[in-house]
Amino acid sequence: EPEVTQTPSHQVTQMGQEVILRCVPISNHLYFYWYRQILGQKVEFLVSFYNNEISEKSEIFDDQFSVERPDGSNFTLKIRSTKLEDSAMYFCASRRQGTGANEKLFFGSGTQLSVL
Amino acid sequence: AQSVTQLGSHVSVSEGALVLLRCNYSSSVPPYLFWYVQYPNQGLQLLLKYTTGATLVKGINGFEAEFKKSETSFHLTKPSAHMSDAAEYFCAVSADSNYQLIWGAGTKLIIKP
Repeated sequence: EPEVTQTPSHQVTQMGQEVILRCVPISNHLYFYWYRQILGQKVEFLVSFYNNEISEKSEIFDDQFSVERPDGSNFTLKIRSTKLEDSAMYFCASRRQGTGANEKLFFGSGTQLSVL
Repeated sequence: AQSVTQLGSHVSVSEGALVLLRCNYSSSVPPYLFWYVQYPNQGLQLLLKYTTGATLVKGINGFEAEFKKSETSFHLTKPSAHMSDAAEYFCAVSADSNYQLIWGAGTKLIIKP
């Protein structure tokens, strides 16, 4: 089965530093997502991306966050100035196209971000 | 607003026994409902989903779930647990097809030999 790939699997950074989390969605997929899960809490939707622009974003996705599809294969999440509370597992996901409910959402294995 | 409640952060069953993981939701519109599984050190994998039509949904690995509108529930079951079913299971709801999913807190399934 095709896979969504996320790198790195673990990222440690100092508070205030910028981080970029990388994702390679499945090659023929058109819709891309970031979710996060703070330890012990629920998975939370961050943002969805289609046709080179954000289609939906949550309240969590403030000005510190940005997403980009720089080269047609990667899908990145940038946190401009990390805070302690940004420590979480970040999941990238993608799906193909068509009526969304009939499409399967594929998740990557996540990047564990630790902000010190 | 939508929300999802999963009863029990941990559920322990014996190998071969029935698995029942509970999920209740609230939604102001007919929901799309999902169960995802996360095995250790892996990503989230779709087990099954309900969108429209038949309320009993069959998924992978022998799991199934039944959408009961009157009870606002979407409980996950499997007749006979296997050791390989040990994982964390997440119920999620979406108001539409855009996958802005609202997630439950997850239930860790423990299988006793």
